[in-house]
Amino acid sequence: GAVVSQHPSRVICKSGTSVKIECRSLDFQATTMFWYRQFPKKSLMLMATSNEGSKATYEQGVEKDKFLINHASLTLSTLTVTSAHPEDSSFYICSARVETSGNEQFFGPGTRLTVL
Amino acid sequence: AQKVTQAQTEISVVEKEDVTLDCVYETRDTTYYLFWYKQPPSGELVFLIRRNSFDEQNEISGRYSWNFQKSTSSFNFTITASQVVDSAVYFCALSEHDYKLSFGAGTTVTVRA
Repeated sequence: GAVVSQHPSRVICKSGTSVKIECRSLDFQATTMFWYRQFPKKSLMLMATSNEGSKATYEQGVEKDKFLINHASLTLSTLTVTSAHPEDSSFYICSARVETSGNEQFFGPGTRLTVL
Repeated sequence: AQKVTQAQTEISVVEKEDVTLDCVYETRDTTYYLFWYKQPPSGELVFLIRRNSFDEQNEISGRYSWNFQKSTSSFNFTITASQVVDSAVYFCALSEHDYKLSFGAGTTVTVRA
């Protein structure tokens, strides 16, 4: 159990376009999901906390108008990279917290975004 | 301030050698959780262990073992008799009262045949 999926797994887009990444909890409900960003050979940096039914909470330095997060249901959170630029190219990973298992988070497989 | 420090950037060993990955954390919370994750070249994070701050028992799972010492704020990870398939980046992480995960910089382990 506790499977998290992400779609798409890879996306290549042109500068200036917007890209939506979906994060789904397949067999459990998640009131809280997290979005991370990982640069090559670097660690995971938390971007924002996505709360079902309310606004996302962004970490310092993360532009909320650039990275739009919507947690419309208990099994789906989306991250939209708006007006993408090459510097937005990165590996984006989501995770979902299971309420009944304390602080454990289950991670999606990640989405590799390349902006040309 | 860095909450989780993994001082070793890269470790290279020959198959069957043991390898220990260091993790030092910093927190003011009395209740917290520590994690280790493995990230193979595919990129997907693989959960290895979770330990809460009240459980200082060391744990062994197959070739993996963990040493949690609150006195030194360390949560070290040892792979015994390493194999080529163990080659990956390993992350130590801390979760405090807000459930957010703070990751260390990661240690790249290369096991040579």
